[in-house]
Amino acid sequence: GENVEQHPSTLSVQEGDSAVIKCTYSDSASNYFPWYKQELGKRPQLIIDIRSNVGEKKDQRIAVTLNKTAKHFSLHITETQPEDSAVYFCAATFTGGGNKLTFGTGTQLKVEL
Amino acid sequence: DVKVTQSSRYLVKRTGEKVFLECVQDMDHENMFWYRQDPGLGLRLIYFSYDVKMKEKGDIPEGYSVSREKKERFSLILESASTNQTSMYLCASSGTGHSYEQYFGPGTRLTVT
Repeated sequence: GENVEQHPSTLSVQEGDSAVIKCTYSDSASNYFPWYKQELGKRPQLIIDIRSNVGEKKDQRIAVTLNKTAKHFSLHITETQPEDSAVYFCAATFTGGGNKLTFGTGTQLKVEL
Repeated sequence: DVKVTQSSRYLVKRTGEKVFLECVQDMDHENMFWYRQDPGLGLRLIYFSYDVKMKEKGDIPEGYSVSREKKERFSLILESASTNQTSMYLCASSGTGHSYEQYFGPGTRLTVT
């Protein structure tokens, strides 16, 4: 069935360090992989996404990589700042699901001063 | 700028009550979704709708129903609220075709006592 696994569930880094969050998916035909950020008490918001015809995408300090063979994708945040502290969710579309997204269970990132 | 609103931020109901959660979007989006968010479980899809009067079950539809009489409005109904439905409920909308990005509402924190 449709499944997205996300690791780790919590991640603590020092300010300025890099953070990496990994997700695996079950459907080899999945073609869209977004990452959402949810700050405390706020709604999830899209921060970056990647489609299956691209291996990597960058936007300033964040990047996403996709390995279709291994069916996993990762979020990379460089030079972390306190405002990066939030819960991050990965997601994927699945065959026959139309615009439906299946989300991972989330990663609580804490950037310590 | 997409705007998704939900009728209440906080709601307290008694066991057995019928509960209505309303969601409205102003971007003429075809797709609308209801999720519940619980710690460690991520965002789980309850129901979604691709068009007016159209609905499809998500991953956890038991105990819930939905209504979409107008394109901009998607309602989640708890026919007989139970304590295990205490949760954060998030509504989202997205456009058609390859517009997979989902825009979320602020959420409704429902407590059933």
